[in-house]
Amino acid sequence: AQSVTQPDIHITVSEGASLELRCNYSYGATPYLFWYVQSPGQGLQLLLKYFSGDTLVQGIKGFEAEFKRSQSSFNLRKPSVHWSDAAEYFCAVGAGGYQKVTFGTGTKLQVIP
Amino acid sequence: DAGVIQSPRHEVTEMGQEVTLRCKPISGHNSLFWYRQTMMRGLELLIYFNNNVPIDDSGMPEDRFSAKMPNASFSTLKIQPSEPRDSAVYFCASRPQGTSVSNEQFFGPGTRLTVL
Repeated sequence: AQSVTQPDIHITVSEGASLELRCNYSYGATPYLFWYVQSPGQGLQLLLKYFSGDTLVQGIKGFEAEFKRSQSSFNLRKPSVHWSDAAEYFCAVGAGGYQKVTFGTGTKLQVIP
Repeated sequence: DAGVIQSPRHEVTEMGQEVTLRCKPISGHNSLFWYRQTMMRGLELLIYFNNNVPIDDSGMPEDRFSAKMPNASFSTLKIQPSEPRDSAVYFCASRPQGTSVSNEQFFGPGTRLTVL
């Protein structure tokens, strides 16, 4: 079965600083990978997704993620964080006969002035 | 489009009572998912429907939980009897035509359930 690990539970960055959120997955074949964002009191919103092709994918709100097969990673990056980026971020992997998506435990991002 | 609609947004009930959570997926979406989110366990998939048929209910915690999808525009998640450990935020999500996992899931705002 597929699984995904987000090793950082909580990250704090200064506004304007760069951001990298880590995600490692486990799956035997090429996975489908996603990053979702959840603002307080809201549902999850898709930031970006990867299935094949270019390993650097661009998403909404200035986010990007890079798929590295050799490291089984799909880290999320943003060059300059804004206060409105404070939220919880979930990495997810999709696979299996019924195309079930498995979510990581999430990383809470705090942005300080 | 109104997005995925869930009701109620907040529910407070007493242990032993029946609780019914409702979801209206986005029109045209044929896959529907129920998730539970808690601090301890994160986001867990409870059950997944495709074309109104339950495909995978392995995440349903126990027999007290049941889910139905009588038609393409409505689903319910029922807990009977409810227990304090069921307190969580329950999300419904829908996905467009086709079973491909490449399609994005669209999440509702969630129902915050508190069982006293």
